[in-house]
Amino acid sequence: AQKITQTQPGMFVQEKEAVTLDCTYDTSDPSYGLFWYKQPSSGEMIFLIYQGSYDQQNATEGRYSLNFQKARKSANLVISASQLGDSAMYFCAMREGLWGGSEKLVFGKGTKLTVNP
Amino acid sequence: NAGVTQTPKFRILKIGQSMTLQCTQDMNHNYMYWYRQDPGMGLKLIYYSVGAGITDKGEVPNGYNVSRSTTEDFPLRLELAAPSQTSVYFCASSYSARQEDGYTFGSGTRLTVV
Repeated sequence: AQKITQTQPGMFVQEKEAVTLDCTYDTSDPSYGLFWYKQPSSGEMIFLIYQGSYDQQNATEGRYSLNFQKARKSANLVISASQLGDSAMYFCAMREGLWGGSEKLVFGKGTKLTVNP
Repeated sequence: NAGVTQTPKFRILKIGQSMTLQCTQDMNHNYMYWYRQDPGMGLKLIYYSVGAGITDKGEVPNGYNVSRSTTEDFPLRLELAAPSQTSVYFCASSYSARQEDGYTFGSGTRLTVV
């Protein structure tokens, strides 16, 4: 069964607007962590934001926020005030069993975001 | 900080050749990983290690081997290269006690098998 699902192969947004990238996950483990990574055309993987399953508040990092809806098993990334440099592939990832469980980070297939001027 | 260093950045192999992808981290991370990324796809885990002397298979381990003799180094060995191993390979590391710091990735090795 697919652990991480990103249903949007591609997204377009106008510069300075906000955009939401969808991510749903599947796990029966009560302790897990959710991650978002950015991969620009240069190829490197850049860590953006982290949300733990027991965290009470949604994570935020600058213009990035994670809309965490535990009951729906969704962890959508919200980018506010999009910039041209935000154009990249975005990957959602999950690690189950944060304490003594799986050490593996599982990735979704990604969403390609294009920011238009 | 150098972070995670991978060498080489590019390599072309002929079918049946072997090679080792090098990975070194200087952050004293206990966990290290090898992923492959095929065109237009996400990353798939090949092997991982939770500490020196300990390695385990990931999702796609066939055709690869690893070793972890030190905390810093985690080389990936390809034996008898096949066209299906054409991919971009990423090494990553993390510190188990601080999930919120994420995983640090190397810049990748682009491998072509012809």
